[in-house]
Amino acid sequence: QVQLQESGPGLVKPSQTLSLTCTVSGDSISSGTYYWSWIRQPAGKGLEWIGRIYTSGSAKYNPSLKSRVTISVDTSKNQFSLNLSSVTAADTAVYYCARTRNWNDFDSWGQGTLVTVSS
Amino acid sequence: QTVVTQEPSFSVSPGGTVTLTCGLSSGSVSTTYYPNWYQQTPGQAPRTLIYNTNTRSSGVPDRFSGSILGNKAALTITGAQADDESDYYCVLYMGSGISVFGGGTKLTVL
Repeated sequence: QVQLQESGPGLVKPSQTLSLTCTVSGDSISSGTYYWSWIRQPAGKGLEWIGRIYTSGSAKYNPSLKSRVTISVDTSKNQFSLNLSSVTAADTAVYYCARTRNWNDFDSWGQGTLVTVSS
Repeated sequence: QTVVTQEPSFSVSPGGTVTLTCGLSSGSVSTTYYPNWYQQTPGQAPRTLIYNTNTRSSGVPDRFSGSILGNKAALTITGAQADDESDYYCVLYMGSGISVFGGGTKLTVL
């Protein structure tokens, strides 16, 4: 059974870079069967797709975040990561990582990690 | 950018039937958008209910069904139960590797 676990700082200062890592167990990112995605949810609000990456390193991003987002993959550690630069309070949210098939089927999720942007 | 639209809230009586919809600010939803539906309860990660328009995810009760109704994707709950009270999100594939979530529907069962 696949499990995903987000990790990273829970507090980031404005204008700095938010960095999170998702560690995958029970499945191999390098198998090439799935994409691997990041999704976020501000408190009391809806879900927002941030982007996805394939084992090859090919990534796609939400156009509204594209200028600030980088998703990378480390198959040797079975991890993928999110970097979001120049953060503001609007980036405060619970960040989820998810295994993804067929574009939209986020079939397994991490528990989510709250990241607060504040000085 | 195209907006994915959902009813902000809906109410259904226990045992009743409700249909939630997922549309586009411009255009019609079809199967080529690979609509998926997710259920989220407070403090929990979402879980997949329906993928690829109408396929129930493993373990999802058959009272949940997905379809295309007119120009929207639809999630129908037949025989609603108290524990169906949740937030429901659809997501559409826009092409070029881009996915967009709807704003979500808060379903009340009372």
